[in-house]
Amino acid sequence: ETGVTQSPTHLIKTRGQQVTLRCSSQSGHNTVSWYQQALGQGPQFIFQYYREEENGRGNFPPRFSGLQFPNYSSELNVNALELDDSALYLCASSYLGRPGNEQFFGPGTRLTVL
Amino acid sequence: GESVGLHLPTLSVQEGDNSIINCAYSNSASDYFIWYKQESGKGPQFIIDIRSNMDKRQGQRVTVLLNKTVKHLSLQIAATQPGDSAVYFCAEIKNSGGSNYKLTFGKGTLLTVNP
Repeated sequence: ETGVTQSPTHLIKTRGQQVTLRCSSQSGHNTVSWYQQALGQGPQFIFQYYREEENGRGNFPPRFSGLQFPNYSSELNVNALELDDSALYLCASSYLGRPGNEQFFGPGTRLTVL
Repeated sequence: GESVGLHLPTLSVQEGDNSIINCAYSNSASDYFIWYKQESGKGPQFIIDIRSNMDKRQGQRVTVLLNKTVKHLSLQIAATQPGDSAVYFCAEIKNSGGSNYKLTFGKGTLLTVNP
């Protein structure tokens, strides 16, 4: 059984650019959730994907978008990057229908926007 | 100058002592509460959870207490070890309809274990 993996580990972008982050879910899981964790804070829910469609969204603007693929892996895309987008981006996989206490997190991608 | 980020609550203990980390929550309709451990450079790792209809749950070296009257959650770590040094987050889970569950994290606490 493989765990949740994310790529890249670190990324540096400049304001206005676009970024794509990737996540491979844990074997047997069909749902991927993305979180933004700013320095010194708890993770904030961005959105969740199930069956290749968005299945819930937090308080993030439309320039944050995502995809889920048939193999349940997922991408997070952020357009028009702002300095405040600098954060650790975490993805968590789970099996939809289970109580949500079974989300397994990846190691995250550290995004720095200059 | 302008500060960057929030200052985490901190707890410093001696190796072998017991640690108690506290968390206040606001949503009385939460279904579950979870404690996560996050080490530097890693994602949150599940420690223990508790259903909202329970008061106490024990795991290996950890105990979670839930006081719904005052909306307070605590994590007790027995015989704290240097490997327990990390940031600890409490999180609430609420069913938002059908099979959808929303996970909301609280503020973290930085635990430092001194040898």
